Amino acid sequence: QSALTQPASVSGSPGQSITVSCTGTGFDIGSYNYVSWYQQHPGKAPKLIIYEVNNRPLGVSNRFSGSKSGNTASLTISGLQAEDEADYYCSSYTSTTTLCVFGGGTKLTVL
Amino acid sequence: QVQLQESGPGLVKPSETLSLTCNFSGGPINGFYWSWVRQPPGKGLEWIGYIYYTGSSDYTPSLKSRVTISIDTSKNQFSLNLRSVTAADTAVYYCASTPYSFYNGYPYWGQGTLVTVSS
Repeated sequence: QSALTQPASVSGSPGQSITVSCTGTGFDIGSYNYVSWYQQHPGKAPKLIIYEVNNRPLGVSNRFSGSKSGNTASLTISGLQAEDEADYYCSSYTSTTTLCVFGGGTKLTVL
Repeated sequence: QVQLQESGPGLVKPSETLSLTCNFSGGPINGFYWSWVRQPPGKGLEWIGYIYYTGSSDYTPSLKSRVTISIDTSKNQFSLNLRSVTAADTAVYYCASTPYSFYNGYPYWGQGTLVTVSS
């Protein structure tokens, strides 16, 4: 069981926007702005798309955005494209001894 | 651009030690955190631990008694040793690095290497 809870799947049509949630606790998301998001295509390594809740690494499309409210972080993908179909993982610092935790992952299907 | 490449045996027997090495290039070692993340087949990501270029390290509690991460700055490589493995340790193992902090996002990843634990 992952420390951060994500929906198993989300879907959307090309051009639409979707949001993936990531729910933690006051020991992680609720108290720290160290939330990251990764995109992973099948058979590939994860790719960092958001760090520190809402910062994009250089080269990442501005269609990806992050936010946080309370114990829940969110990843929004606007203008969905076929190549966005992938698994998405959130991650956070935690003040428990685990230190760094991932969510269970969300499979995005572009219809 | 930092590049990472894992290497090591793809098959390890139960109760033995899993040993992987990650070679890195294209960036400074100073100021970076060097980590290992694993992913069991069909499952999610699990953070294993990190080592800082100074040699300080820490690990996730569930593996702490069995894992050691070390670094050799002269060879531009860091290593993972996981002792007393079982089938539950079968996974794709990724090395990753970040200039931010070990909990603040990893922009650099190796391609991953599948390690199967089986007799």
